[in-house]
Amino acid sequence: EADIYQTPRYLVIGTGKKITLECSQTMGHDKMYWYQQDPGMELHLIHYSYGVNSTEKGDLSSESTVSRIRTEHFPLTLESARPSHTSQYLCASSDVGPRTYEQYFGPGTRLTVT
Amino acid sequence: QQPVQSPQAVILREGEDAVINCSSSKALYSVHWYRQKHGEAPVFLMILLKGGEQKGHEKISASFNEKKQQSSLYLTASQLSYSGTYFCGTEIRYAGKSTFGDGTTLTVKP
Repeated sequence: EADIYQTPRYLVIGTGKKITLECSQTMGHDKMYWYQQDPGMELHLIHYSYGVNSTEKGDLSSESTVSRIRTEHFPLTLESARPSHTSQYLCASSDVGPRTYEQYFGPGTRLTVT
Repeated sequence: QQPVQSPQAVILREGEDAVINCSSSKALYSVHWYRQKHGEAPVFLMILLKGGEQKGHEKISASFNEKKQQSSLYLTASQLSYSGTYFCGTEIRYAGKSTFGDGTTLTVKP
C-alpha cells in the first residue's frame, strides 16, 4: 500500500494569491515528482527531485517552484496564481535502483484559480 | 520526447481482447505502464526493462521490443474493472526521469 499524501485535495483561489501544495510520503523514497494533468489529458512532468536539496525542472515549463529539505516532503509553490494555473497537480515518488520507475502517485490536488 | 500511444480510445465488450501500443522515436531503457480511473491517481501496472521482455499481471501482459523502440500492452478477456486510461511511461538511458504518452482510454461495456 503506497503512502503518499497531498493536501489540499481541492483548492479554489483568486488570481494573484500565493499557494503551496503539500506532498508527503512515508516510504523513504529518494525520488519525488510533480506532474500537471488536465482532465482526460496526459501527465506533464513539471519538477522532480533525486533527494534532499536536489531539484530539477521537468519537461513542461512551469512558473511554480519546489523545495526538498526533507526526504519525505516535496512542496510546490506558486507565488502568484493565475487562471492558466487551473489544473490537477499530482505528486509521485519512487525508489532508486531497479524499481525506480515504479511510481506511486498521491490523490492529487485539483486547483482552480478564479 | 513524448512517446506516442495508439489507439487513442477503444471500446470493448466484456470478455474481448485489446492491444495498446506505445512507441518512441528515441532508444528506450525501460517502459512502464499505468492505469488511471476517472477522478483517481494513476496506478502502476508493470515495468519492462529488457528488449523482448514480456510480463504478465493477471490477464494483462506487456511486451517490450527494444530494437523497435516500442511496447504493447495486452488485455485479454477484459473485465469491467479494466476501464480507464492507460499511460505508458518511457525512459531514455541515464535520463533519470520518464516521459508519459498521451494515454489510451479503454471502455469496457457489459
